[in-house]
Amino acid sequence: DADVTQTPRNRITKTGKRIMLECSQTKGHDRMYWYRQDPGLGLRLIYYSFDVKDINKGEISDGYSVSRQAQAKFSLSLESAIPNQTALYFCATSDLAANTGELFFGEGSRLTVL
Amino acid sequence: AQSVAQPEDQVNVAEGNPLTVKCTYSVSGNPYLFWYVQYPNRGLQFLLKYITGDNLVKGSYGFEAEFNKSQTSFHLKKPSALVSDSALYFCAVRPLGSSNTGKLIFGQGTTLQVKP
Repeated sequence: DADVTQTPRNRITKTGKRIMLECSQTKGHDRMYWYRQDPGLGLRLIYYSFDVKDINKGEISDGYSVSRQAQAKFSLSLESAIPNQTALYFCATSDLAANTGELFFGEGSRLTVL
Repeated sequence: AQSVAQPEDQVNVAEGNPLTVKCTYSVSGNPYLFWYVQYPNRGLQFLLKYITGDNLVKGSYGFEAEFNKSQTSFHLKKPSALVSDSALYFCAVRPLGSSNTGKLIFGQGTTLQVKP
């Protein structure tokens, strides 16, 4: 089983719909992240969390919200999806104790907004 | 602004030949540098990192990277490419001031195509 699991893996939705992408991890890491991947733009950070009570905005947080339900769970929500949020979304974790910056990624959630 | 650049969208190489995927960075201070690989329909996988010490870093699957402070580069290399190395490669840097956050800045990615 994957250490970082994302659901759903693929989702097609319509403009204006609310969407939630979920992430769970078994690595025991305290830090979790949501990144967005667009062709030619690399990965951009949406939100990150150090623990359940600590949520921080990344560089492109507008139009997104997150919830850290437990140390192992970090969900990303699009309250009212729009077509330019069509992208591949990645959840990642890192280990505070190691503090090397290495990230561990899920398999990705491909979202299409029509 | 702190940034990472991968100047080539795609690199083509014949199997058995050496490969280089380029990366340059703009970060204040001493950077932590990373290479990740993404195979089709998969998440990113860690290849190697430079934190300090020897400028030549060895990583997974026979890859290595050379840190060059004067040229602000961290090019990924492999002496003999395999068809199975074909994938999307990302260079990343931990920006100044993010030592407690784990945030990384990613380059735009380079597609490596290894032909038989």
